[in-house]
Parts: sequence; C-alpha cells; structure tokens
Amino acid sequence: DIVMTQSPESLAVSLGERATISCKSSRSVLYRSNNKNYLAWYQQKPGQAPRLLIYWASTRESGVPDRFSGSGSGTDFTLTISSLQAEDVAVYFCQQYYGTPLTSGQGTNLEIK
Amino acid sequence: EVQLVESGGGLVQPGESLKLSCAASGFSFSGSVIHWVRQASGKGLEWVGRIRGKADNYGTLYAASVKGTFTISRDDSKETTYLQMNSLKTDDAAVYYCVLQQQLDGGAYGEPYWGQGTLVTVSS
Repeated sequence: DIVMTQSPESLAVSLGERATISCKSSRSVLYRSNNKNYLAWYQQKPGQAPRLLIYWASTRESGVPDRFSGSGSGTDFTLTISSLQAEDVAVYFCQQYYGTPLTSGQGTNLEIK
Repeated sequence: EVQLVESGGGLVQPGESLKLSCAASGFSFSGSVIHWVRQASGKGLEWVGRIRGKADNYGTLYAASVKGTFTISRDDSKETTYLQMNSLKTDDAAVYYCVLQQQLDGGAYGEPYWGQGTLVTVSS
C-alpha cells in the first residue's frame, strides 16, 4: 500500500496569511503513460463530506477559489492557501488514487491564529 | 452534471446486514472503477473495497477488515453500485462514501468523484 504522510497535523494561521500543508507518498504517484500525478487534496468541515479541491496534484476543481493551489510531483506535494479566509477553517487531507487501496494522509487541522 | 448518490444507510444491530447503493449519473459508467470508502466519527478515511468494469470481469478487491463479510457488486444498466454488508460489528459504524474513477483513453483511470455519503450506525 502507498503510505501518505501529511504535515503538520495542525496549523494555526492568521487571517490573510499563507497556509502550507505538505504531503509525501511512500512511492511515486506519477503515472508515466499520461504524465499525471495521481494526487488529490480535500477539504472537510464537520458533518460534511470531503470536498475535492485539487486533483492531478495541481488542477483546481471547478468552483474552488484561486487562493487554493497545489504543487509537487512524484512523492512530494504541497497545498497552499495564499490568503487564509475564515471559511477555510477545516481539516485538509491528501489522497493518492494511483493504486489500490486508495490511501490518504491523516489530515491537517487548519485553524485561525 | 456528474453526481453520485448513496443510500441505504441506517441503524442496525450487531450481526445484522445492510445493503448500500450508489447511483451514478453523468458519468461514463461502464468502464469506471468504483470504490467504497468509510469514515468513522472523528476518524480518518478507510478504503473498504472496489469493483472494476465489465472489461476487467468486474474484479473486486477488499480491505482485510471487511473481506469475507462485505461484497461489492454493480448493475451497469442502472449505473448503480452496491455494498452488501453482513455480520455488522460496532466497528463498522461510519459514513460510507462511494468514489468513482472513470476510465480514460489508454486504460488509465481518472480523478476521483465522491458522493455525499450515507451513515451506518451499528448499535444494540
């Protein structure tokens, strides 16, 4: 199984400041035949289903504000929120969909400082 | 518009069975792989199993924690996937999500689409 390791576990950022979350996979999730990184980022608020933010490591889902961005390739990935808004308070997690089973990071709890 | 809608969750007693459904719309369903993922209250995501399409003989794979008690099936004519859960335990209580990946040109699979989930409560 591909192990996903996220850091930090919790993060407190001031409104308007940048938030950065890291995700590392135990092996590459770059699929050579289509040159795509099989890595997604999700936002989850209490009582809600995970909301897809980013897929293919850097493609923003329709409707997601452009302050959210994803980067990285192979085994190292980053989710960046460029200017934190109050509504961004949530748990964020990465997930690889390269192989079965689908595996996810343990989540990062993002709060307002 | 692409959509996945789970149903069938509810309250059951330990040892009982429950069958969940996941209805898809707006997808190229027949070649898709569908996963079931669950999330117990306050916990992370746990992959439960998956089923591939007809071209892959509807191949299934399960997590060790549910193998032998859970069965995934699909009806392509109804664009619906099922999760039959037998001998339920309190540890199986969770929100269950279906996750679909469409098959891309060349045979690879695409990005994951999620349903909104259905709650399964196992309690006496």
